[in-house]
Amino acid sequence: AQSVAQPEDQVNVAEGNPLTVKCTYSVSGNPYLFWYVQYPNRGLQFLLKYITGDNLVKGSYGFEAEFNKSQTSFHLKKPSALVSDSALYFCAVEPRGYNKLIFGAGTRLAVHP
Amino acid sequence: DTAVSQTPKYLVTQMGNDKSIKCEQNLGHDTMYWYKQDSKKFLKIMFSYNNKELIINETVPNRFSPKSPDKAHLNLHINSLELGDSAVYFCASSQDDSSDYGYTFGSGTRLTVV
Repeated sequence: AQSVAQPEDQVNVAEGNPLTVKCTYSVSGNPYLFWYVQYPNRGLQFLLKYITGDNLVKGSYGFEAEFNKSQTSFHLKKPSALVSDSALYFCAVEPRGYNKLIFGAGTRLAVHP
Repeated sequence: DTAVSQTPKYLVTQMGNDKSIKCEQNLGHDTMYWYKQDSKKFLKIMFSYNNKELIINETVPNRFSPKSPDKAHLNLHINSLELGDSAVYFCASSQDDSSDYGYTFGSGTRLTVV
């Protein structure tokens, strides 16, 4: 079965420190990979997307993600966290040829001052 | 100039009622979707439409009936509402090509069935 795993329910990081939110997937072929962020009582905002090419994808608000094909991982990173980055982060995959997103369960990021 | 707009934002209704949620996108996208986010924040696709044609129906009960009058609109009608239907419903749209952008989501409709 196709699935996306976000192994951490919550990630805590101090402001100014680097952050990583982990994601692995089990989808055949070469899916498109996404990260979305959800602030309280808001919709999902697109952060970045991996299609092909460079394994490091740069996105919005200083976020980037590292694709590792052998580990089927797509971890979200930011060099220096801000308190305003505190939100719920979703990893998602789109199997090639299928117009749908399969989401992970989400990881709550808490950045402390 | 909201890209994907859905109404209403909040919906509180009694069990057994019928209700509709409307969605419109002004991005010119070819495909529209309904996703459901449950109380644990888990997101799952319900339906997708491409140019007014149903593409995906993810084993959603027949009480849920999507309707797409044109490419820019996808409405969701729910009959005989049940307590378990309480969730946040998100409309989304996407373009068919492999663009650098992902899916664009609406701000959600919080449905509470009492």
